[in-house]
Amino acid sequence: QKEVEQDPGPLSVPEGAIVSLNCTYSNSAFQYFMWYRQYSRKGPELLMYTYSSGNKEDGRFTAQVDKSSKYISLFIRDSQPSDSATYLCAMDRLAAGNQFYFGTGTSLTVIP
Amino acid sequence: DGGITQSPKYLFRKEGQNVTLSCEQNLNHDAMYWYRQDPGQGLRLIYYSQIVNDFQKGDIAEGYSVSREKKESFPLTVTSAQKNPTAFYLCASSRFSAGANVLTFGAGSRLTVL
Repeated sequence: QKEVEQDPGPLSVPEGAIVSLNCTYSNSAFQYFMWYRQYSRKGPELLMYTYSSGNKEDGRFTAQVDKSSKYISLFIRDSQPSDSATYLCAMDRLAAGNQFYFGTGTSLTVIP
Repeated sequence: DGGITQSPKYLFRKEGQNVTLSCEQNLNHDAMYWYRQDPGQGLRLIYYSQIVNDFQKGDIAEGYSVSREKKESFPLTVTSAQKNPTAFYLCASSRFSAGANVLTFGAGSRLTVL
């Protein structure tokens, strides 16, 4: 079993839709949870990070962590064509070794 | 602006040649990483380094080598021993602190073996 599971999609939505992207994980030691956006042929850029459980909002983006279910989500409101990208979730245990664990990414297309 | 600079952006190599990918950061981050990204496989860790003159193998280190002589620099050499080197390579760095622990990535280097 992979430590982090993420549906690869592809996901296609009309402009203005609410998008929900999700990851599940198996290691209860994960404490930091991150979402990255990666445009084609570019490096991933950090969108949001959260520590432990709860919600965090930044403009049209909301990150949600449910540690009891080992489930994290990223919601995008009023989606725009410029949101079309691959979204990667990542997690960290904050233990020695400083290693991060990634989902395989979900490809999102927002249709004008 | 602080960030991570990877070069070259595109690189073509003949079979049997070693190539070195450059990674420089001016974020004053302690830890640096090299990942390989292949379609449908996500990011796989090649090597990482938490301090100067020290580095550890990741999940797919065979056929690769690194050095960390300066805090700012973490070059990756793809050797001829790497069986399938064509891929997108990403360098990253992170703060070595419990306050916030996130990765910052460079723009990537795409290596194609001819």
